Amino acid sequence: EDQVTQSPEALRLQEGESSSLNCSYTVSGLRGLFWYRQDPGKGPEFLFTLYSAGEEKEKERLKATLTKKESFLHITAPKPEDSATYLCAVQDPNTGNQFYFGTGTSLTVIP
Amino acid sequence: NAGVTQTPKFRVLKTGQSMTLLCAQDMNHEYMYWYRQDPGMGLRLIHYSVGEGTTAKGEVPDGYNVSRLKKQNFLLGLESAAPSQTSVYFCASSYRGQVGGEQYFGPGTRLTVT
Repeated sequence: EDQVTQSPEALRLQEGESSSLNCSYTVSGLRGLFWYRQDPGKGPEFLFTLYSAGEEKEKERLKATLTKKESFLHITAPKPEDSATYLCAVQDPNTGNQFYFGTGTSLTVIP
Repeated sequence: NAGVTQTPKFRVLKTGQSMTLLCAQDMNHEYMYWYRQDPGMGLRLIHYSVGEGTTAKGEVPDGYNVSRLKKQNFLLGLESAAPSQTSVYFCASSYRGQVGGEQYFGPGTRLTVT
């Protein structure tokens, strides 16, 4: 059973066109939900950690929010340099030592 | 700081050959992880370590072994490579795993098994 599902798989935006990426999860007793950015041919780069419903975090044009069953990554007025794959992960609620990743959303921002 | 480094960056193996992937981190992190990334599958945890001298199985451990003899290094071994092990392998480390376990990833090793 998938722990983390991300949608859409791919998203193309015009520069300046705001949108949101979705990450839904099925684990109960969330320890932490993580967002990463991955550029082609590179390792994922940490963006945010969210712990409880209602929490929000921001970094430049990105804002991550969390509810009891899903998280959103809002991208405001994106630029071409925001093009990347965005990964969501949840921490194993029992041991805390394992992480379950979604398959990611590939974002392309067109100038 | 170099962060997390991985060697080699690329490797081609024949079925049945063995190899070791090396991961090194200079952030004094306790926790280290090995993942594989395949198209449409996302990152999957192979093995992890919560400290020097300790290792544990992750989601997909079969066909792999690991060792953590020094805190800064985490080795991933393939004893008899199979085509199903063709993948991109990422190492990661984190300061702590229980809470606030954001991970720092290496650049990856692209492995092809023919």
